[in-house]
Amino acid sequence: KQEVTQIPAALSVPEGENLVLNCSFTDSAIYNLQWFRQDPGKGLTSLLLIQSSQREQTSGRLNASLDKSSGRSTLYIAASQPGDSATYLCAVSPGYSSASKIIFGSGTRLSIRP
Amino acid sequence: GAVVSQHPSRVICKSGTSVKIECRSLDFQATTMFWYRQFPKKSLMLMATSNEGSKATYEQGVEKDKFLINHASLTLSTLTVTSAHPEDSSFYICSASKGGDYGYTFGSGTRLTVV
Repeated sequence: KQEVTQIPAALSVPEGENLVLNCSFTDSAIYNLQWFRQDPGKGLTSLLLIQSSQREQTSGRLNASLDKSSGRSTLYIAASQPGDSATYLCAVSPGYSSASKIIFGSGTRLSIRP
Repeated sequence: GAVVSQHPSRVICKSGTSVKIECRSLDFQATTMFWYRQFPKKSLMLMATSNEGSKATYEQGVEKDKFLINHASLTLSTLTVTSAHPEDSSFYICSASKGGDYGYTFGSGTRLTVV
């Protein structure tokens, strides 16, 4: 059974710092891995999607890496800003179609101090 | 893109009444949609998989008679909370995937409060 873990559960850093959020999964047979952001009381916003054949994806100040063999993904946020404060969730898709259920980690609550 | 619209964003209802939440894929067809429930400061809990033209698949422990799902078209799935009770108060979110490189897109969520 696939399990997804995110560490740390919460993180508070001063503005401007670079930071790394971690995600690990127990079964390396994944189709893709997706990082989401959730603001309080809101839905999920997709940040980055990494297909199983890819090693990393970048969007602006965000960089996500994927190491299937070790069951790990990291989300790197450069030059953090107060607007980055949110909960970050990673999710893996175990299947090969859009009908596959994705499995979420429990999230990392990030707070960027001005 | 891949846009999923969810309505209403907030609803307050009295105990014993039913509430319908809509989830629409605006620019793609979705044969499958997913419904989640989220408790405060917790991750998303998958409730059921909505299948166009057939019965939904419910996760273990989810009452199918309480949470009715209808996926009548390729762009619309509805979740009806029947005979709502205060313990049904929660944040409900739907999602769908366009497939390929699009991953999963989520609706903006519905905050349900049962009084």
